[in-house]
Amino acid sequence: DIQLTQSPSFLSASVGDRVTITCRASQGISSSLAWYQQKPGKAPKLLIYAASTLQSGVPSRFSGSGSGTEFTLTISSLQPEDFATYYCQQLNSYPRTFGQGTKVEIK
Amino acid sequence: EVQLVESGGGLVQPGGSLRLSCAASGFTFSSYWMHWVRQAPGKGLVWVSRINSDGSSRNYADSVKGRFTISRDNAKNTLYLQMNSLRAEDTAVYYCAREYCSGGSCYGEFDYWGQGTLVTVSS
Repeated sequence: DIQLTQSPSFLSASVGDRVTITCRASQGISSSLAWYQQKPGKAPKLLIYAASTLQSGVPSRFSGSGSGTEFTLTISSLQPEDFATYYCQQLNSYPRTFGQGTKVEIK
Repeated sequence: EVQLVESGGGLVQPGGSLRLSCAASGFTFSSYWMHWVRQAPGKGLVWVSRINSDGSSRNYADSVKGRFTISRDNAKNTLYLQMNSLRAEDTAVYYCAREYCSGGSCYGEFDYWGQGTLVTVSS
């Protein structure tokens, strides 16, 4: 199984900050990676697919990059509505594993 | 508007069974692969199972293999998860999710999710 490790697991930041979350895969997965945002009590929401393609309707302050084993999700200027937990997911093989999540909280 | 609505969750004793349903609307259900994902209280997302568009191919997480069965009824636009031999560690919110497909190909990402249904396994 492919393991995904996100870092950090917890992040405290202020509105307007630039935030970067890293997701490392235990083996190469090309660009087969998605990022999701989840707010408490809600279903996850797709942000990024194919490692760097922004899902329709997602603000352009979100961006993704990487390929192979290392990927990043960047929020260029953190907004109040961005405080949430973020998950990466590999789409290369089954089981379709998720990272453990990164919780972004208000500083 | 795409909608996925789960139902069937509840309290069940260890060793018991439960069948979850996911009613789909707003898209051509028979053209999409579907998944179940679960989330234990306060924990992260865990992929559970996937079924292809006509039900001929299925995958399962090792933790549920042999106990859970994914199925679908394309005439009823409904996805199912039959859960047998339930354990305390199966306690979670269960989400159904649609995998993005276009032109006969599916691309992996989950573009729509239901609101989830809570399964609690406890005596």
